[in-house]
Amino acid sequence: GAGVSQSPSNKVTEKGKDVELRCDPISGHTALYWYRQSLGQGLEFLIYFQGNSAPDKSGLPSDRFSAERTGGSVSTLTIQRTQQEDSAVYLCASTPSQGVSEQYFGPGTRLTVT
Amino acid sequence: SQQGEEDPQALSIQEGENATMNCSYKTSINNLQWYRQNSGRGLVHLILIRSNEREKHSGRLRVTLDTSKKSSSLLITASRAADTASYFCATDGTNAGKSTFGDGTTLTVKP
Repeated sequence: GAGVSQSPSNKVTEKGKDVELRCDPISGHTALYWYRQSLGQGLEFLIYFQGNSAPDKSGLPSDRFSAERTGGSVSTLTIQRTQQEDSAVYLCASTPSQGVSEQYFGPGTRLTVT
Repeated sequence: SQQGEEDPQALSIQEGENATMNCSYKTSINNLQWYRQNSGRGLVHLILIRSNEREKHSGRLRVTLDTSKKSSSLLITASRAADTASYFCATDGTNAGKSTFGDGTTLTVKP
């Protein structure tokens, strides 16, 4: 079956522009995560959606970052007024349900802010 | 700060040797998982060990968990060049929700 997909795979943008990153989780998965990974670093948690519950936004680094999940499926991560320090790989993952720990990751979006 | 921290940061071995990576964490957990990442892209789940388990095997992988020391180890036996990747541990705290990842160990297996 189809795994988690993300688009675009690569995005180059100019400083100050807004970007939208998309994640399509595995069908039926209720939990969705966004992470950020800078070069050679670990994963930095950004936001977590679980079903119809309010999302856990505790990892969003600034108010320039926001995310939504429409219809409990596709999610969009939006970064406004991008800065060079936003350059990273943005990873999305989903899990079948709350309490199931194994996360299925997408291939990521490599964002470069020039 | 990160819940899970891997050690060493980097490890280089010859093909056929065993590779051991360690993970330490700070707070109580429900389970601990190990993931593998190739080329800075998506992670692949390798193995999950629950807090009431001490050891688990999957193929050439062996994971141990010592909750008294808040540490886990991942052993890859008879390593292959294809095992070259970054390996991360992730912990699920006793509150349901997100996992917390460490910074990873970069393993290089030389043919």
